[in-house]
Amino acid sequence: QTGVTQEPSLTVSPGGTVTLTCASSTGAVTSGHHPIWLQQKPGQAPRALIYSTSNKYSWTPARFSGSLLGGKAALTLSGVQPEDEAEYYCLLYYGDTRVFGGGTKLTVL
Amino acid sequence: EVQLVESGGDLVQPGGSLRLSCAASEFTFSNYWMTWVRQSPGKGLEWVATITADGSVKFFEESVKGRFTISRDNDKRSLCLQMSSLRAEDTAIYYCARDQGSWGGMDIWGRGTTVTVSS
Repeated sequence: QTGVTQEPSLTVSPGGTVTLTCASSTGAVTSGHHPIWLQQKPGQAPRALIYSTSNKYSWTPARFSGSLLGGKAALTLSGVQPEDEAEYYCLLYYGDTRVFGGGTKLTVL
Repeated sequence: EVQLVESGGDLVQPGGSLRLSCAASEFTFSNYWMTWVRQSPGKGLEWVATITADGSVKFFEESVKGRFTISRDNDKRSLCLQMSSLRAEDTAIYYCARDQGSWGGMDIWGRGTTVTVSS
């Protein structure tokens, strides 16, 4: 079964920069996987941040950016704010199915 | 406001059945694929099922194949997930999401409805 792997946890200082990654067990992540990134805070529904690798929604803060990096999908937060502390999930499309990563708990400290 | 609202979550015994609904508003529901995602207590997100815009094609995660059915009524702007032969591991918050794939990802999410499978 296809697996998608994320860092379980990361810590960043306020104002700092951090990159979260999303790897596929089948090989390199490409634009054909249409990677998406979601943010989820405790007790809330997920909120979409990035789609198709690097595209932002109207509500996505400018400090969030998506890319492909070293065969993985990546989410970079530049100028991290305290309110960015959350769980972040990536999702990859494999044809007709979808697979979520296990999530990265981002701590802002 | 573009919105999805889930309902139907409940406490159900193992082996039982349950039907979840998702009501869409403020967008042309019939133009979009829709997806169900679940989240077990303290765990990550898990894709469950997806249905095409016209309802003609459906895709399921392996563990729910043969037990869950996804359907939609475009006239009523409603998405459903019919769950049967429920197991303890189906206990989760179930979210519906608008699924635009490469054109927009899963951009709109509901707040979820809770399903608990326990005797």
